[in-house]
Amino acid sequence: GAVVSQHPSWVICKSGTSVKIECRSLDFQATTMFWYRQFPKQSLMLMATSNEGSKATYEQGVEKDKFLINHASLTLSTLTVTSAHPEDSSFYICSAREAGEKQGFTEAFFGQGTRLTVV
Amino acid sequence: GENVEQHPSTLSVQEGDSAVIKCTYSDSASNYFPWYKQELGKRPQLIIDIRSNVGEKKDQRIAVTLNKTAKHFSLHITETQPEDSAVYFCAASRRGTYKYIFGTGTRLKVLA
Repeated sequence: GAVVSQHPSWVICKSGTSVKIECRSLDFQATTMFWYRQFPKQSLMLMATSNEGSKATYEQGVEKDKFLINHASLTLSTLTVTSAHPEDSSFYICSAREAGEKQGFTEAFFGQGTRLTVV
Repeated sequence: GENVEQHPSTLSVQEGDSAVIKCTYSDSASNYFPWYKQELGKRPQLIIDIRSNVGEKKDQRIAVTLNKTAKHFSLHITETQPEDSAVYFCAASRRGTYKYIFGTGTRLKVLA
């Protein structure tokens, strides 16, 4: 299957600093990427939909000024957690679906996730 | 809003027995229903999916059934093995939005 690479796999940062997470589709083009957040033993909660060349669409309750999303190319989306606090500590996972007419029925491929710990 | 309910939250079965996980979705426009398996600390992996124009799909020991009228779909795993132990998530997606709404997950434990 297609490969989605997420970097870094884990990061520890100090409270108040910002952290950038990258999500790359390695062998396909993705006009749309998705960012999820997963707390321990809980489900994947969709945070935002990242659209190449346009503004991201955020889910209700997600602060867009805190979680900055940039989707500058068909293979790269970034999530920046600004002014991170301990409550932002979580597992962040991106996913991407291949661009094209088949999008309605194609599999979404997930990155390996980034474990963020804010101390 | 869109919602996917998943039951049970935990499931323990003896090796060789069958396991069934059920999901109910709220958005009647949903037309694609994937199932993901996630092992601890790893990314979700697709194990099977079904489209709204099909009622059942099978892949070796895994099968999925879909009842569009009732808006629910189920995952069936037969002849379970210890390596089937993981967390399983269902999801629903609507053509046009392409985003997945995930169920709350089922922690399956297969006892040897």
